[in-house]
Amino acid sequence: AQSVTQLDSHVSVSEGTPVLLRCNYSSSYSPSLFWYVQHPNKGLQLLLKYTSAATLVKGINGFEAEFKKSETSFHLTKPSAHMSDAAEYFCVVSESGKLVFGAGTILRVKS
Amino acid sequence: EPEVTQTPSHQVTQMGQEVILRCVPISNHLYFYWYRQILGQKVEFLVSFYNNEISEKSEIFDDQFSVERPDGSNFTLKIRSTKLEDSAMYFCASSFGQETQYFGPGTRLLVL
Repeated sequence: AQSVTQLDSHVSVSEGTPVLLRCNYSSSYSPSLFWYVQHPNKGLQLLLKYTSAATLVKGINGFEAEFKKSETSFHLTKPSAHMSDAAEYFCVVSESGKLVFGAGTILRVKS
Repeated sequence: EPEVTQTPSHQVTQMGQEVILRCVPISNHLYFYWYRQILGQKVEFLVSFYNNEISEKSEIFDDQFSVERPDGSNFTLKIRSTKLEDSAMYFCASSFGQETQYFGPGTRLLVL
């Protein structure tokens, strides 16, 4: 079975500084990987997806993620955090059409 | 931009009662899903639905649960006799193919 591990349950950054949210995956074949974001009292919004095309994937709101097979990682980054980025972020792997979620990372952005 | 909608946003029910959670998927999507997130836990897959039948279900999705697409737009999740442990946020999702799933805002269910 496929799985993802989000290495940090909470990350705190200052506004304007880089964001790094870490995710490692376990898969027996080339996976489809996603990052979703959940703002307070809102649904799950797709940030970006990797489906075996380019290893560097650009998403919405300035986020990007790099698929590294050798490290089984799919870390999410953003060069400069904005207050509106404060939310919970989920790394997700697709397994036969169903999504398997990581535990989530809560991003806090300090002014 | 088309989006998945869910009603109600919140539902409170008594243990043993039946509840129906409703979803309107994106109109040209063919695959439909339910997930749930118990407070403080991971989002978990419940069931997927394609071509008017269940294509996969998790071990959570026991006989108390059922899904239906009663018309061309709605997709429902029914819990026949709710238990305290069914309290959770329930998310509906839809996709055109089996790749990217788009989620609704969720229904928060509280069983008392």
